[in-house]
Amino acid sequence: DSGVTQTPKHLITATGQRVTLRCSPRSGDLSVYWYQQSLDQGLQFLIQYYNGEERAKGNILERFSAQQFPDLHSELNLSSLELGDSALYFCASSEGLANNEQFFGPGTRLTVL
Amino acid sequence: QQQVKQSPQSLIVQKGGISIINCAYENTAFDYFPWYQQFPGKGPALLIAIRPDVSEKKEGRFTISFNKSAKQFSLHIMDSQPGDSATYFCAASRVNRGGADGLTFGKGTHLIIQP
Repeated sequence: DSGVTQTPKHLITATGQRVTLRCSPRSGDLSVYWYQQSLDQGLQFLIQYYNGEERAKGNILERFSAQQFPDLHSELNLSSLELGDSALYFCASSEGLANNEQFFGPGTRLTVL
Repeated sequence: QQQVKQSPQSLIVQKGGISIINCAYENTAFDYFPWYQQFPGKGPALLIAIRPDVSEKKEGRFTISFNKSAKQFSLHIMDSQPGDSATYFCAASRVNRGGADGLTFGKGTHLIIQP
């Protein structure tokens, strides 16, 4: 158990809909990262937040957005969903900017029908 | 553009043998190289990581070898056990006080240890 929690575990929705994925980092960690894992694209970095501020962006679509709240939990919002958005979404956390040891949560499996 | 190339895609090793997985990177700005282990239905778990100022790091049965000039690094699993059967990912990123980038992952190696 990494100490990172993610909810929900599974999510099934329809094309065009909007969903929110939630992540709670390990106690004391200030950085949160979001990743997408799919069979064709592999594991891809989406976005990073540090202590409430966006710090780095990867291959995140404009339809996707995220935020980190004062209690350090983070939410990933996915809108106008397409079939190709079906994937595993992982959250990872680390202590801070200079320490890049990232610990992954169990993931949320999103299925878009 | 795939910045981290991992091979082989799959690997079968006999119990007690040595499993070797290789990765090559392109971005010379990378300065942190971790390996992750993932079991089906679980999130990736950090196994071992190395910075480019050392050529080798060992933790238990797991060893990372790093060749900065060749821009390559590898994972060696000694005395491989059936419980090591999993998918292994190499990754790379930059670490700096201005902002640590997210990890760039290889495509993964599906390792099977035969009893």
